[in-house]
Amino acid sequence: RKEVEQDPGPFNVPEGATVAFNCTYSNSASQSFFWYRQDCRKEPKLLMSVYSSGNEDGRFTAQLNRASQYISLLIRDSKLSDSATYLCVVNDDMRFGAGTRLTVKP
Amino acid sequence: DTGVSQDPRHKITKRGQNVTFRCDPISEHNRLYWYRQTLGQGPEFLTYFQNEAQLEKSRLLSDRFSAERPKGSFSTLEIQRTEQGDSAMYLCASSRRRLAGGLTDTQYFGPGTRLTVL
Repeated sequence: RKEVEQDPGPFNVPEGATVAFNCTYSNSASQSFFWYRQDCRKEPKLLMSVYSSGNEDGRFTAQLNRASQYISLLIRDSKLSDSATYLCVVNDDMRFGAGTRLTVKP
Repeated sequence: DTGVSQDPRHKITKRGQNVTFRCDPISEHNRLYWYRQTLGQGPEFLTYFQNEAQLEKSRLLSDRFSAERPKGSFSTLEIQRTEQGDSAMYLCASSRRRLAGGLTDTQYFGPGTRLTVL
């Protein structure tokens, strides 16, 4: 089993849709989680941290479920500009998921 | 620009040659990481430094790979006797380790060095 696994995607959604990605991790002692966004042939850029109580930043909501060892990212009212690959990372172990590709279509 | 910088941005080399990449982290960051990324995969951890000390190396880092951070500032990653399988994007990131007991700060990535081995 991979240490960090993500929904394989790709996700193709229309503008305005709500889309959710999950990411499971194997190290139950992990404490630090992030979501990154990566555009084609660019470096990953931080999207948001994931806090134990869940957190929201505009249209983006991140949640952590320690019991089931997964984190999630919800994007509401998706925009064309949200098209990218979304990477989850367990920062303690410096382990990234393979990424989930999202394409938002007009 | 005070972000993470990497040099060169692109490198094409012939199999068997040695290559060296440089990373300059954000100035107040004490941790520096190297990753390798191939198409369709997330970044794979190679190694990281806290100040000048190399604290962890991945099994992916064969003996042909060596990384240094001699003064705790910039870092170099050298690949000796390159192989076609080394072709990838090499990403550097830096972060600021908080006080003992705190969580590691966010990693900020450089633009990467794209290596092509012919």
